[in-house]
Amino acid sequence: ETGVTQSPTHLIKTRGQQVTLRCSSQSGHNTVSWYQQALGQGPQFIFQYYREEENGRGNFPPRFSGLQFPNYSSELNVNALELDDSALYLCASSGVGGETQYFGPGTRLLVL
Amino acid sequence: AQSVTQPDIHITVSEGASLELRCNYSYGATPYLFWYVQSPGQGLQLLLKYFSGDTLVQGIKGFEAEFKRSQSSFNLRKPSVHWSDAAEYFCAVVQNTNAGKSTFGDGTTLTVKP
Repeated sequence: ETGVTQSPTHLIKTRGQQVTLRCSSQSGHNTVSWYQQALGQGPQFIFQYYREEENGRGNFPPRFSGLQFPNYSSELNVNALELDDSALYLCASSGVGGETQYFGPGTRLLVL
Repeated sequence: AQSVTQPDIHITVSEGASLELRCNYSYGATPYLFWYVQSPGQGLQLLLKYFSGDTLVQGIKGFEAEFKRSQSSFNLRKPSVHWSDAAEYFCAVVQNTNAGKSTFGDGTTLTVKP
């Protein structure tokens, strides 16, 4: 059974640019959630995708958007990057019921 | 809105000593409760979870946690800490009607002295 994978592992962008982060969910999981973890803080819920539809969103602006594909993999897109977007972005997948999430290793984004 | 408080930002214990990490939550009903561990530069690993039933739950790596409804707490314990337990620990809650949308505390960093 393959766990949750994310790519890339690290990324450096400049302010105003756009970025796409990718996540492959654990085998058999149809729900993917994205979290932002700033330095020294706990993860903050961005949004969740279930069967290719957004299924809940946290307190993040519309420039944070996502997609889920038929194979349940997912993308997180961030437009007009700001310095405060620098963080570890975590993807988590869950299966039937969805209560238990399994996290990927994260993508560390640095915005200069 | 639900919230999670981990009162201890940093805890240092000696190897072999016992450990207790505190977690308090604010929510109108009993949520699902989780503890995760995060090593530097890594993702989150699930240690244990509580949904219902027995209030003392066992997890991986010798960890356990006790749910106390009256105190809105879900404290993590380990009888004897190993040097490899040094990491950051996060408590999280999920509304049972909002599966997969976790609210996390800000974490407790554990340092283990030889």
